[in-house]
Amino acid sequence: QPVLTQSPSASASLGASVKLTCTLNSGHSGYEIAWLHQQPEKGPRYLMRLHNDGSYKKGDGIPDRFSGSSSGAERHLTISSLQSEDEGDYYCQTWGTGIGVFGGGTKLTVL
Amino acid sequence: QVQLVESGGDLVQPGGSLRLSCSASGFAFTDYYMTWIRQAPGKGLEWISYITSSGASTYYADSVKGRFTISRDNAKKSLYLQMNSLTVDDTAVYYCARNGGNSGPQDHWGQGTLVTVSS
Repeated sequence: QPVLTQSPSASASLGASVKLTCTLNSGHSGYEIAWLHQQPEKGPRYLMRLHNDGSYKKGDGIPDRFSGSSSGAERHLTISSLQSEDEGDYYCQTWGTGIGVFGGGTKLTVL
Repeated sequence: QVQLVESGGDLVQPGGSLRLSCSASGFAFTDYYMTWIRQAPGKGLEWISYITSSGASTYYADSVKGRFTISRDNAKKSLYLQMNSLTVDDTAVYYCARNGGNSGPQDHWGQGTLVTVSS
């Protein structure tokens, strides 16, 4: 069973960049993941699907400021030119036949 | 555009039952697997069940297996979650979501419906 680990919190200044990380457990480093963003009191929004080779495909309407990358068991989400609406919780997820797994989420604060 | 609208959330006593619905529009519902995910107050996301496009196969998290049943009516473009033997630990916002691929990821989400289990 894959397990996804995320840091509980991150912060960065308005207009700066931030890189969030999601780490797959041993034996599952080849899994692709997805990144989601949840603003306070709202449902999650799908950002992108990120493959183990670092290629990614973004969801509808996701700005160019959002990009993904991979390194071994780590999957990264980079947000550049941070805006206030980027605050909230970021979740990674993975899946397989009969299973779905979410990371614990990273709470991003834009200073 | 893709729209998913959940309904049926309510306050229910422990041991009770509830049926959630999700109405879909803006896409070919019959072509997509669908998933239910929940989020307890102040907590993260928890995958609980998905169903194949035809409804022939269903899968559940261990936390709900034997108590919850996912189903769909493709003619009505609707997804359902029958929840029985509810406990306080089932208190959460329940989201329905469309699967972009077969078993995942969930590329469109509803706004959620709140289920509160309390005496």
